[in-house]
Amino acid sequence: AQTVTQSQPEMSVQEAETVTLSCTYDTSESDYYLFWYKQPPSRQMILVIRQEAYKQQNATENRFSVNFQKAAKSFSLKISDSQLGDTAMYFCAFMKRENRDDKIIFGKGTRLHILP
Amino acid sequence: DVKVTQSSRYLVKRTGEKVFLECVQDMDHENMFWYRQDPGLGLRLIYFSYDVKMKEKGDIPEGYSVSREKKERFSLILESASTNQTSMYLCASSYGVLKGEKLFFGSGTQLSVL
Repeated sequence: AQTVTQSQPEMSVQEAETVTLSCTYDTSESDYYLFWYKQPPSRQMILVIRQEAYKQQNATENRFSVNFQKAAKSFSLKISDSQLGDTAMYFCAFMKRENRDDKIIFGKGTRLHILP
Repeated sequence: DVKVTQSSRYLVKRTGEKVFLECVQDMDHENMFWYRQDPGLGLRLIYFSYDVKMKEKGDIPEGYSVSREKKERFSLILESASTNQTSMYLCASSYGVLKGEKLFFGSGTQLSVL
């Protein structure tokens, strides 16, 4: 069975700093997807970034980028020039590439505080 | 924008009551999901559905059932609510056409069972 581990339950950084959130996963699959979701205090969960395992290039979305190390089964999220609005719970997630079973497995989350 | 609407933001129920949590999406999504979110445990999948009248058990289906009579609506039912079902419940949906699609989430229902 697949597992997703986020080793940092909580982090705090100063505004404008760069922060990296860690995520490791365990799978025997070779083809899959990885995601980072953000849940702000409003509770509305939104997708931050998505990575396809067969793509070697790391995904980027504006100030958000990932460091995808397939062999090490690591998928960390880097937030550059952090802003107060980045304060949220961040979940790393894994999805197998199967025909019908689109279940996503989530990590336990990292609570990130951006300090003014 | 895709909208996933959960009928209640906060709900308080008594032990033994039958509880219905409703979720509606407005983008003709094939897949719908119910998750439970607890501090320190992340999101755990209760049930999901990839078609009308179809349902599949997730990781923690015990004590829950679901109903999907129409494509846009996916209901979570607690047959006899218990205190250990106090939690945040999140509904999500996805198109279900392409692989690796993102989930669209509702704003959650914080359920307290007294």
